[in-house]
Formats: sequence, structure tokens, C-alpha cells
Amino acid sequence: DVKVTQSSRYLVKRTGEKVFLECVQDMDHENMFWYRQDPGLGLRLIYFSYDVKMKEKGDIPEGYSVSREKKERFSLILESASTNQTSMYLCASSLPQGGFGNQPQHFGDGTRLSIL
Amino acid sequence: DAKTTQPNSMESNEEEPVHLPCNHSTISGTDYIHWYRQLPSQGPEYVIHGLTSNVNNRMASLAIAEDRKSSTLILHRATLRDAAVYYCILKVSNFGNEKLTFGTGTRLTIIP
Repeated sequence: DVKVTQSSRYLVKRTGEKVFLECVQDMDHENMFWYRQDPGLGLRLIYFSYDVKMKEKGDIPEGYSVSREKKERFSLILESASTNQTSMYLCASSLPQGGFGNQPQHFGDGTRLSIL
Repeated sequence: DAKTTQPNSMESNEEEPVHLPCNHSTISGTDYIHWYRQLPSQGPEYVIHGLTSNVNNRMASLAIAEDRKSSTLILHRATLRDAAVYYCILKVSNFGNEKLTFGTGTRLTIIP
């Protein structure tokens, strides 16, 4: 089974801090994704990466950056954390679609981040 | 992206079959139908996907209408561990369009 591991289940940080969320997958997947999940808003895509050192903005990239130096690892960075970034953050990975929509995404269990 | 419509919530008795409906009347010919579920305090979990034909796997079955405007996820014998939010998602078959767009899903409650 695919395993996507997020470094922390719970994290508490202060406003203005630089925050790193780490994600590792063990299935050699090219694609990796960062989502955030908020009540009433569902999951929203922040960034995704389709290869090492490659990244694409998702629907809500403002206030975030990402890093993918190795294929198995995808990091989400909050440059200067703010209270409106308090949320559940979910990482996922998948094989590339190759023009067909048949590749499932595999998710980690999430990091619940609180910004005080 | 084409939109899906699901009931907000459903209840089912333990050990009985569950049929979770999804309407997707604006689906295009190459969109795949995916189902995910999210158990409490966990990330979403892939359940099943299909294009035109009905599909079965160890978790569930997916029945797709002939006109593809609706589909039904079938859990053959619900257990308490199946209590979760179930999401029906259309995945576009385009190069570079890798994302999933989650709606609000159906919250399934299993009654012991």
C-alpha cells in the first residue's frame, strides 16, 4: 500500500513565524500535492508538484511556498504565519495522469496547524 | 470542472447494503468518476473509480448509469468502520490537470 507520511499530526506556532510542513511518500510517485481543509469550504489545493524542483500554483497559493528537492519529499512553507492559516493541511501523491483521469491520489493523515 | 451533487447525509443499519448516489449531469465524455471517503481525524482515502462500466473492488462497487449522468457507490455490507464522509469527484482527462476538486460529500452514519 502507498504510504504518505506527514511529519506532525498537531502543530502550534505563533503569528509571524516561518513554518515548515513536511510530507514523504514511499511509492516513487511523480505528483505530490498540498491541500488545506476548512469547515464548510472542503479541501482546496494550495500547490502541487509534478517532478523534482517543479511546482504549480493551485487555487489558494497566497502566503505559501513549496519545495521539492527529492522525489519522495514535498515541503509546504508558510513564510510568515498568520491566524487565517490555522487549518488542517493534507498532503497527497499520485502517478501522473498521462492524459487520462484514472490515477487516484493517496493522502496522508493531515497536520492540524494552529497559529496563535 | 463539471459539478457533482450528493445528499448531505445518509443513515444505514449495520450489516446492510448502502447505496450512495451522485448526480453529475454535466459530465463530459472523458471525465472519470472517482469516490473517496474521509474517516474522522484522517485524510481522504481512495475508494474506487470508473469511466463507463460498473466496477468492483475489495472496498465497494461503483454502478454508473448508461448516460453517465449519475452513479452510485455501493457498500455491500456496512460496518461501523464505514461511517465517514463520502466524496464523488469528476476527474478531467487532460495532460497537466492533475487536481481533484472536492465538494462537501455525503456524511454516512451507520446505526448499530
